[in-house]
Amino acid sequence: QVTLRESGPALVKPTQTLTLTCTFSGFSLSTSGMCVGWVRQPPGKALEWLALIDWEDEKYYSSSLETRLTISKDTSKDQVVLTMTNMDPVDTGTYYCARRSYITAYDYWGQGTLVTVSS
Amino acid sequence: SYELTQPPSVSVYPGQTASISCSGDKLGDTYVCWYQQRPGQSPLLVIYQDDKRPSGIPERFSGSNSGNTATLTISGTQPMDEADYYCQAWDIKTGAFGGGTRLTVL
Repeated sequence: QVTLRESGPALVKPTQTLTLTCTFSGFSLSTSGMCVGWVRQPPGKALEWLALIDWEDEKYYSSSLETRLTISKDTSKDQVVLTMTNMDPVDTGTYYCARRSYITAYDYWGQGTLVTVSS
Repeated sequence: SYELTQPPSVSVYPGQTASISCSGDKLGDTYVCWYQQRPGQSPLLVIYQDDKRPSGIPERFSGSNSGNTATLTISGTQPMDEADYYCQAWDIKTGAFGGGTRLTVL
């Protein structure tokens, strides 16, 4: 079955770079139509779309955050990595990775990982 | 990318029909999907490609999308449907979420 799991630091300091890893199973990111993306949610607030990488290694970013984001994949490890530079307390929230398949929607989600930005 | 607007809250009595709107410029030109999120849980896809239900989603969930507005409809709402609902649209492969709607079952 399809699973995704986020991992990374629970606490980062302001100005530091956050690196999150999404480890998935049950599908291949080499398969046509498959994508993996990142979504975040500040406490008590709405979902925010961050980035997406597709099977051809094309990358897509939120226009408001693209200068701070980098998404990459390691197909051999079934992993997708998101880095976000210059972290700020407003970046505190739960970060989710999710699969977008040919149905043009996130059909599977990870459990999310809470990241707190504080000195 | 799209800017999507949802009402912050919708209330409905059990058994009634709940409608949640999602508006955006020319939204009908793209696919819209809907997610349900219960407290402390990851989002769950309930509608994709405007009006399709994933396997396991009850038939009472339906969707439509035309012009500038997409709508999620829950017929015969049940107490278990109380949750936050988010619409999402794609501009090619760049996505955007609506601000979310808290559905309260009275």
